[in-house]
Amino acid sequence: GEDVEQSLFLSVREGDSSVINCTYTDSSSTYLYWYKQEPGAGLQLLTYIFSNMDMKQDQRLTVLLNKKDKHLSLRIADTQTGDSAIYFCAETNGGSQGNLIFGKGTKLSVKP
Amino acid sequence: DGGITQSPKYLFRKEGQNVTLSCEQNLNHDAMYWYRQDPGQGLRLIYYSQIVNDFQKGDIAEGYSVSREKKESFPLTVTSAQKNPTAFYLCASTRSTGGGGNTIYFGEGSWLTVV
Repeated sequence: GEDVEQSLFLSVREGDSSVINCTYTDSSSTYLYWYKQEPGAGLQLLTYIFSNMDMKQDQRLTVLLNKKDKHLSLRIADTQTGDSAIYFCAETNGGSQGNLIFGKGTKLSVKP
Repeated sequence: DGGITQSPKYLFRKEGQNVTLSCEQNLNHDAMYWYRQDPGQGLRLIYYSQIVNDFQKGDIAEGYSVSREKKESFPLTVTSAQKNPTAFYLCASTRSTGGGGNTIYFGEGSWLTVV
């Protein structure tokens, strides 16, 4: 079945850029998402990208998609302590089931 | 404000008991989902419903049951058959179920602990 892989941990210093990487196996993925989860809370949609795009920028967030390598990344510029959270990559092919396939999440720790 | 409301936030279950987690949305979304999250794990799909009075099993449906009598509501029952129910449960909904654009919105989650 489809799979989404992420590294489990990332630690950066406040003010640096963070890059969270994700790989997926479903070649028919149409939409790829980044979600943020703060402790004890639900998932908050940060951004998403269509599979026919290779980059999307939204304020401090930049998403890069390499469809050939099935690689997705999320770059957070000027990382702040409030960005500390777990970040989930997810994909869907928009099929009849309509559900997302999630990675296990990357825990981002921002040190002052 | 529109959103997804889950209740209760924290719930304790005794061995052999059934418990029901509530999920209500006022987003007029067609599809609703229940996910389970364990520490260090991603989200795993339990059940989903694309339309009222219809629902489908996800990857880990054993020991769970759902109903979808109203568009706004998708309660999850954790039955005594679920041997390891302690987890964080997330309800979600989305506007469309196919053709892309499946932006899914999540509730704040419910913690279930077996005592």
